[in-house]
Amino acid sequence: DADVTQTPRNRITKTGKRIMLECSQTKGHDRMYWYRQDPGLGLRLIYYSFDVKDINKGEISDGYSVSRQAQAKFSLSLESAIPNQTALYFCATSSTGNEKLFFGSGTQLSVL
Amino acid sequence: GENVEQHPSTLSVQEGDSAVIKCTYSDSASNYFPWYKQELGKGPQLIIDIRSNVGEKKDQRIAVTLNKTAKHFSLHITETQPEDSAVYFCAPKKGGYQKVTFGTGTKLQVIP
Repeated sequence: DADVTQTPRNRITKTGKRIMLECSQTKGHDRMYWYRQDPGLGLRLIYYSFDVKDINKGEISDGYSVSRQAQAKFSLSLESAIPNQTALYFCATSSTGNEKLFFGSGTQLSVL
Repeated sequence: GENVEQHPSTLSVQEGDSAVIKCTYSDSASNYFPWYKQELGKGPQLIIDIRSNVGEKKDQRIAVTLNKTAKHFSLHITETQPEDSAVYFCAPKKGGYQKVTFGTGTKLQVIP
């Protein structure tokens, strides 16, 4: 089983719809992240969390919100999806004191 | 913020040849220099990293070299194989800060 699991793998939705992407991990890491990948732009940080009660904005948080329900779960919500949020979304984890990031397999989101 | 440039954006090599990808960064306080490999349909995976107190690190066919004065680090792959075909990202980071700036990626194609 994957250490960092993202659901769904693919999602097509319409403009204005609310959508949630979920991430769970079995690595026991305390830190979790949501990244967005667009062709030619690399990966950009949306939100990150160092612990259950800790939420921090990344460089492109507008239009997104997150919830850290438990140490192992971190969900990303788009309250009202718009077409320019069409992208590949990755969840990642790390542990305090270790710089290495561990990524899930990604969620391809298309907003029509 | 950190400005990261990665070159080349695409690279084709014959199987068995070497490949070199360069990453230039702007923040002199960066002290952690990883390379991630992203295969088709998967999330990025760390393949090698180096810290600022080390000039070079090798792991079998891959190596990373760091020039802190010039603010660049490079990924070297020797004896390339078809399974090395992927997109490679650099992601320099400075300690104490959570923001990681990813390069825009290099698509490596190894031709059998």
